[in-house]
Amino acid sequence: GESVGLHLPTLSVQEGDNSIINCAYSNSASDYFIWYKQESGKGPQFIIDIRSNMDKRQGQRVTVLLNKTVKHLSLQIAATQPGDSAVYFCAENNYGQNFVFGPGTRLSVLP
Amino acid sequence: SQTIHQWPATLVQPVGSPLSLECTVEGTSNPNLYWYRQAAGRGLQLLFYSVGIGQISSEVPQNLSASRPQDRQFILSSKKLLLSDSGFYLCAWSVRGYGNQPQHFGDGTRLSIL
Repeated sequence: GESVGLHLPTLSVQEGDNSIINCAYSNSASDYFIWYKQESGKGPQFIIDIRSNMDKRQGQRVTVLLNKTVKHLSLQIAATQPGDSAVYFCAENNYGQNFVFGPGTRLSVLP
Repeated sequence: SQTIHQWPATLVQPVGSPLSLECTVEGTSNPNLYWYRQAAGRGLQLLFYSVGIGQISSEVPQNLSASRPQDRQFILSSKKLLLSDSGFYLCAWSVRGYGNQPQHFGDGTRLSIL
């Protein structure tokens, strides 16, 4: 069946460094992907999305890369700040209404 | 702009008591609405979704039910809570009818069953 997973459950980075959070997915038919950020006690917040006809998309300080050959998704955060500390989820969808969410990676920013 | 509200933020209930969690969306019409449960360290589990008033689809058998009495109101209920119903419940909405769209979440309800 479909599944979305993460290579690293926790990630610690120094403030100012770049962060890379990875995600693997198993359904090659998935054509839409989202990264969410979830701070403690809050709901997931939409960060950036990408469709399968693209391999890269940039936002403000964030970049999502999609490698359909190996079914891999990554989120890059430039110049990581303390406010970036949170759990990050990836989610995939294959043109249905229901997403499959990964368990998340906890990002800790060290001073 | 669109906003989504969930309440209460936290709730402590005894086993066997009823439950009603409410979610409302503002700034949009005819949204798709969703209820999720999030267990610690695990991904979001879809419980129910709705594409319109009175239309509810259930994803997993459980002790819970959902209703959509108005276009932008989604309610999660139970007649008798179980210990296993404890968790973090999230409501979400998305634009209907335009292919893949992101889901936008409320800030959730932390439910503890004693």
